[in-house]
Amino acid sequence: ELKVEQNPLFLSMQEGKNYTIYCNYSTTSDRLYWYRQDPGKSLESLFVLLSNGAVKQEGRLMASLDTKARLSTLHITAAVHDLSATYFCAVDPWGAQKLVFGQGTRLTINP
Amino acid sequence: SQTIHQWPATLVQPVGSPLSLECTVEGTSNPNLYWYRQAAGRGLQLLFYSVGIGQISSEVPQNLSASRPQDRQFILSSKKLLLSDSGFYLCAMDSGQGAEQYFGPGTRLTVT
Repeated sequence: ELKVEQNPLFLSMQEGKNYTIYCNYSTTSDRLYWYRQDPGKSLESLFVLLSNGAVKQEGRLMASLDTKARLSTLHITAAVHDLSATYFCAVDPWGAQKLVFGQGTRLTINP
Repeated sequence: SQTIHQWPATLVQPVGSPLSLECTVEGTSNPNLYWYRQAAGRGLQLLFYSVGIGQISSEVPQNLSASRPQDRQFILSSKKLLLSDSGFYLCAMDSGQGAEQYFGPGTRLTVT
């Protein structure tokens, strides 16, 4: 059974600090997605990573994918309060667009 | 650009009652469509997906069913709701392999 595990599940940090969220998965996949969810809201697509070594950046967020290690990271640089949300990674292990989601990382950024 | 509509936005239903949630999409033809459920404080679980009209695949055994009567319409149904059917139901779409999946605004279902 495919497992997608995020670490940490909860993260409280101060504005201006850097941190990384990790997403490990248990089977081969070269497709990984990152989403953001605000409380009570739907999911917003952040990044689509489609190959080993892929790196994408948008503002203070940068995502990378290492398919050999079965690991993706979401790095936050100089965090600001607006980035407070729950972040999900999702894997498409069979290339069939059937995403398997991690548990989510609830990020709280304090002023 | 693609737009996904879901209704109703919220729903409170008694155990044993029927259910019908609707999802419609705009801005694309022949999309792949998906139904996900999110339990409180949890990740998403894929329930159904469809690659075309009348084509439905179920991912988990459950009390729910799905139908796709039109290219851009996806319906989630139940004949008799269970308490465990409560959750946040999200419809999603994409245009094929490797494409981003976009999510609708969701329906929050509470079964009492």
